[in-house]
Amino acid sequence: EPEVTQTPSHQVTQMGQEVILRCVPISNHLYFYWYRQILGQKVEFLVSFYNNEISEKSEIFDDQFSVERPDGSNFTLKIRSTKLEDSAMYFCASTLGQNTGELFFGEGSRLTVL
Amino acid sequence: GENVEQHPSTLSVQEGDSAVIKCTYSDSASNYFPWYKQELGKRPQLIIDIRSNVGEKKDQRIAVTLNKTAKHFSLHITETQPEDSAVYFCAAPSSGGSYIPTFGRGTSLIVHP
Repeated sequence: EPEVTQTPSHQVTQMGQEVILRCVPISNHLYFYWYRQILGQKVEFLVSFYNNEISEKSEIFDDQFSVERPDGSNFTLKIRSTKLEDSAMYFCASTLGQNTGELFFGEGSRLTVL
Repeated sequence: GENVEQHPSTLSVQEGDSAVIKCTYSDSASNYFPWYKQELGKRPQLIIDIRSNVGEKKDQRIAVTLNKTAKHFSLHITETQPEDSAVYFCAAPSSGGSYIPTFGRGTSLIVHP
């Protein structure tokens, strides 16, 4: 069964450093998302991406964040200058269409900012 | 306030009992209502969903009911088992015409053997 894959599974970084989290969505899916989950809390929407551009973003997704689909398969989330409060699990997800059904999540990338 | 509200935040039951989790939403245009299960340290995974043209859907021990008038939908788990212990999230599109699934705060279900 096709899966969304994410790398790395865990990254530890120093405050102020740049981090890139990588995702490979399911190949025939058209909509891609990043969600964040701080430990013990709910899954929060960050950004959605369609047709090579951001379609929606939340208040959390400020100028420190960016997304890119550099090569037609990878979908990346970059945090330019990490803060302690960026420590969380970051989930990539994809769907076939908009509002058409299940979000397929990757296993997540745990980011720890020291 | 929250666009998607979920209750209760924790639910503790004995094995074999039923569990009910409720979610309310604000956008009357919403037409897709999923429930996700997240086991400790794992990704959320869809367990059941319902579309607005039906009022109830069942899949073995799991069911979801939808009341569009009251704008709430509920997850029902019957004959609970210890492996049902997890955090359950409902989701619905946020208000303002967005299609983005917004998650509830989650319900931690604990099933005691």
